Amino acid sequence: EAGVAQSPRYKIIEKRQSVAFWCNPISGHATLYWYQQILGQGPKLLIQFQNNGVVDDSQLPKDRFSAERLKGVDSTLKIQPAKLEDSAVYLCASSPLGGRGTDTQYFGPGTRLTVL
Amino acid sequence: AQSVAQPEDQVNVAEGNPLTVKCTYSVSGNPYLFWYVQYPNRGLQFLLKYITWDNLVKGSYGFEAEFNKSQTSFHLKKPSALVSDSALYFCAVRENSNYQLIWGAGTKLIIKP
Repeated sequence: EAGVAQSPRYKIIEKRQSVAFWCNPISGHATLYWYQQILGQGPKLLIQFQNNGVVDDSQLPKDRFSAERLKGVDSTLKIQPAKLEDSAVYLCASSPLGGRGTDTQYFGPGTRLTVL
Repeated sequence: AQSVAQPEDQVNVAEGNPLTVKCTYSVSGNPYLFWYVQYPNRGLQFLLKYITWDNLVKGSYGFEAEFNKSQTSFHLKKPSALVSDSALYFCAVRENSNYQLIWGAGTKLIIKP
């Protein structure tokens, strides 16, 4: 079974530029998550999708971050414009059961973003 | 609100010795607990999860976790450490109101030859 795919793996941009990340979840997983992980910290949830609908985006900085999952499969996360403090690893995860109980999240390799 | 604590920033163990990475939690209702491992420049990999009434949970790569309700702990263990076990380990608990995972700060495990 193929895992969660993410691209690119690394990205370096200058502040005020825009950047987009792509994620393809495990086949059949209805729930998709985007996390931000600052070096040395645990992941912080940015947004959660159930199929193509948003379940929770309360921690997404909506003035600069946006995400979509138009067909309920793959997803893109965009930052525009980027700030220095956006330097982090952006992790995508998916889970089969809607996030409840013992539902397990499976993570992609992440995209390491450096903002100069 | 649910919370999880990993009291040790780093744990050092000699290869071949048993290892323990500690996790304590605070939760209302049934606890749904998880352990993940993160190798350098890699995403998080699922190791194991707590399923109700199963106090010793076995997971991937020879790891197991011991659930202790009275001590509200879910410590990760392995009988004999390998150098390749060196990584960052995260404990997480599921929030019962919105089902999000609440993550610990992580524990860096270093296994010395």
